[in-house]
Amino acid sequence: GQQLNQSPQSMFIQEGEDVSMNCTSSSIFNTWLWYKQDPGEGPVLLIALYKAGELTSNGRLTAQFGITRKDSFLNISASIPSDVGIYFCAGQLTGTASKLTFGTGTRLQVTL
Amino acid sequence: DAGITQSPRHKVTETGTPVTLRCHQTENHRYMYWYRQDPGHGLRLIHYSYGVKDTDKGEVSDGYSVSRSKTEDFLLTLESATSSQTSVYFCAINRGDTEAFFGQGTRLTVV
Repeated sequence: GQQLNQSPQSMFIQEGEDVSMNCTSSSIFNTWLWYKQDPGEGPVLLIALYKAGELTSNGRLTAQFGITRKDSFLNISASIPSDVGIYFCAGQLTGTASKLTFGTGTRLQVTL
Repeated sequence: DAGITQSPRHKVTETGTPVTLRCHQTENHRYMYWYRQDPGHGLRLIHYSYGVKDTDKGEVSDGYSVSRSKTEDFLLTLESATSSQTSVYFCAINRGDTEAFFGQGTRLTVV
């Protein structure tokens, strides 16, 4: 089955730094979603993107739907310790029963 | 909180035994999904349902079956558990056209 390539796989950053991660696919999607997962919990939706080129923010998080529809980017500004977790991208095609294809995740660790 | 409850939250079972995981929603949504999560693979779709008694396979459906006899319940059954099915299993519902919301997961260990 298809998987999305997500990078980096993991990153250590210092509190206050900005973070960037991205997700690429060999095929197009109509919707891109970004999730965060804390240890022992299910993924929680952060941002949803519905249109190529769209740029959407949620607090310190900003995500973009790539123009080619084959990629998406997530930025976190001024990271704080509670940003620690695993971030997943997910792509979705219209008319496919809303099934999601997930990336492999980016593990983020924030040091003080 | 998306109104999804998974049970059990943890289970250890022996190879060859059948296991059933339950997903219960309180929001009356049409679409429900079962995913498994393994290191290095993200989440992969096992089966999904688009209504009562309407189900279909995902990308990793071998060795699994599902049933949905009521809108609120979606059951995942491992017919004969194997060690390769040791994983964390997540149920999800779809609230709108696109956005899936997940339960807290069931950690299954097959020994």
